[in-house]
Amino acid sequence: NAGVMQNPRHLVRRRGQEARLRCSPMKGHSHVYWYRQLPEEGLKFMVYLQKENIIDESGMPKERFSAEFPKEGPSILRIQQVVRGDSAAYFCASSPSSGEQYFGPGTRLTVT
Amino acid sequence: GQQLNQSPQSMFIQEGEDVSMNCTSSSIFNTWLWYKQEPGEGPVLLIALYKAGELTSNGRLTAQFGITRKDSFLNISASIPSDVGIYFCAGQIQGNEKLTFGTGTRLTIIP
Repeated sequence: NAGVMQNPRHLVRRRGQEARLRCSPMKGHSHVYWYRQLPEEGLKFMVYLQKENIIDESGMPKERFSAEFPKEGPSILRIQQVVRGDSAAYFCASSPSSGEQYFGPGTRLTVT
Repeated sequence: GQQLNQSPQSMFIQEGEDVSMNCTSSSIFNTWLWYKQEPGEGPVLLIALYKAGELTSNGRLTAQFGITRKDSFLNISASIPSDVGIYFCAGQIQGNEKLTFGTGTRLTIIP
């Protein structure tokens, strides 16, 4: 998957807990995207970030979800007070500019 | 919002056969991308198309950007067992970085 790193690969949380998903983009890539995939479905866009800026969060639920891409360190997708419906695979992608996006292996979130 | 419909939803073919799948949209896209996803993994980029009418190959894979900019096609020639997976198209509008993904075509190879 072209060097995009995500961790953890699997995350189990009880309802009401917080989930933190991390993404390190490919070297030299300053654009990061988060997508969510439900079983047997395609990926759905959530948010697009560049360093220290959220560019497009049109796909992100208004409550409980937030994302950041700090100057130093990985991008973080944070889900507060998780519910069963948050169970999904969350993928991060990166690109050097517009066009081709390269995906990480994903984090599988299970809410019990 | 935009929707991308892929067909067929699934294909069962024998090793050595050629495969064709397509993706259609209700809206125009400026970029088409084709990805393959295997179980438990992220999508892997196969081919990127940037110009209407463009035909691009990557080994046994060939993809075309439709003239109307509302569709794209992917062909796989002489399929082999490692071609098994789900193939997704994704479209991008100029000036908008987010990808809109299709519904996927699941390819199974019958021994």
